[in-house]
Amino acid sequence: QKEVEQDPGPLSVPEGAIVSLNCTYSNSAFQYFMWYRQYSRKGPELLMYTYSSGNKEDGRFTAQVDKSSKYISLFIRDSQPSDSATYLCAMGRGFQKLVFGTGTRLLVSP
Amino acid sequence: DGGITQSPKYLFRKEGQNVTLSCEQNLNHDAMYWYRQDPGQGLRLIYYSQIVNDFQKGDIAEGYSVSREKKESFPLTVTSAQKNPTAFYLCASVNRDSYEQYFGPGTRLTVT
Repeated sequence: QKEVEQDPGPLSVPEGAIVSLNCTYSNSAFQYFMWYRQYSRKGPELLMYTYSSGNKEDGRFTAQVDKSSKYISLFIRDSQPSDSATYLCAMGRGFQKLVFGTGTRLLVSP
Repeated sequence: DGGITQSPKYLFRKEGQNVTLSCEQNLNHDAMYWYRQDPGQGLRLIYYSQIVNDFQKGDIAEGYSVSREKKESFPLTVTSAQKNPTAFYLCASVNRDSYEQYFGPGTRLTVT
């Protein structure tokens, strides 16, 4: 079993839809969680960083962490075609190496 | 502008040649990382360095070498011993206060 599981997609939605992207993990020691957006042939861009259970909102993006269920989510409101990208979850503990999901490809159609 | 730069963006080499990928950061981060990304496999850690003049192997270090002579720079050499060197290579650095990891734009290496 992988430490982090992420559905590869693709996830196709119409413009304006609410998008839900998810990751599950097995290691209860993870302390912090990140979401990255990666456009084709570009480096991943850090979107959201959370250090505890609960919700964190930044513009159209909301990151949610449920440590009891070992489940994290990224919600995108009012999705736009420019949100079409691969979204990677990542999690870690202290300065131990980050563990990444394999990424979910999102397609937002006009 | 603060950030991470990687050069070149595209690199082509013949099989049997060593090649060095550049990574520079001006974020004043102590820790730097090299990853390899292949389609459908996610990010795999090659080497990392948490301080100048010190580095550790990641999960797939065979056929690669690094140096960390300056805080700002962490070059990666892909040697002829690396069996499948064609890939997208990503450099990253970490903010020690928050553990946030930032990536460079990547170098796409093609070996024929």
